[in-house]
Amino acid sequence: AQSVAQPEDQVNVAEGNPLTVKCTYSVSGNPYLFWYVQYPNRGLQFLLKYITGDNLVKGSYGFEAEFNKSQTSFHLKKPSALVSDSALYFCAVRDHNYGQNFVFGPGTRLSVLP
Amino acid sequence: DAGVIQSPRHEVTEMGQEVTLRCKPISGHDYLFWYRQTMMRGLELLIYFNNNVPIDDSGMPEDRFSAKMPNASFSTLKIQPSEPRDSAVYFCASSLYTGELFFGEGSRLTVL
Repeated sequence: AQSVAQPEDQVNVAEGNPLTVKCTYSVSGNPYLFWYVQYPNRGLQFLLKYITGDNLVKGSYGFEAEFNKSQTSFHLKKPSALVSDSALYFCAVRDHNYGQNFVFGPGTRLSVLP
Repeated sequence: DAGVIQSPRHEVTEMGQEVTLRCKPISGHDYLFWYRQTMMRGLELLIYFNNNVPIDDSGMPEDRFSAKMPNASFSTLKIQPSEPRDSAVYFCASSLYTGELFFGEGSRLTVL
């Protein structure tokens, strides 16, 4: 079965500093990996995805993520954090060998301090 | 495209009443998902459909919950009778076969 772990409930970073939000996954086949962001009282918004190809994926709002197959990780990164990046971030995996279900991690709350 | 549209955005009801949540997926998407989000349990998959057919409903809490997708452009999630523990934000999302999920803005349900 698929599973996604986000080991940190909360990440705090100063504005202008780089940020990393961690994600590890477990799937039976080739993973399709996703990052989403949720602002208060809003739905989840798609940031980026890894399907195949280059391990470094670039997405919306300056975010990027690196797929590491040996470590089964897909960490979200941004070189310079903004206060407006403060939100709840979810990692998700879709395993096409296990139906079409999306499995989401528990979420990591990112706080960017001015 | 207007995105995934959910209604109502907010619903307050009393225990025992029937609740119906509605969703219009993005045109052309062949997968539709219903999720529930609470502080305690996070984001939980309730059920998903492919081409209007329910594929996995193992996340539906109990018989009080039911979901239908009568056509490609409409789905409902019904709770009958509702209970206070059903209070949550319910999200509908749609996708293509290999694509990302697109979420609606959610329906916030409060059962008194």
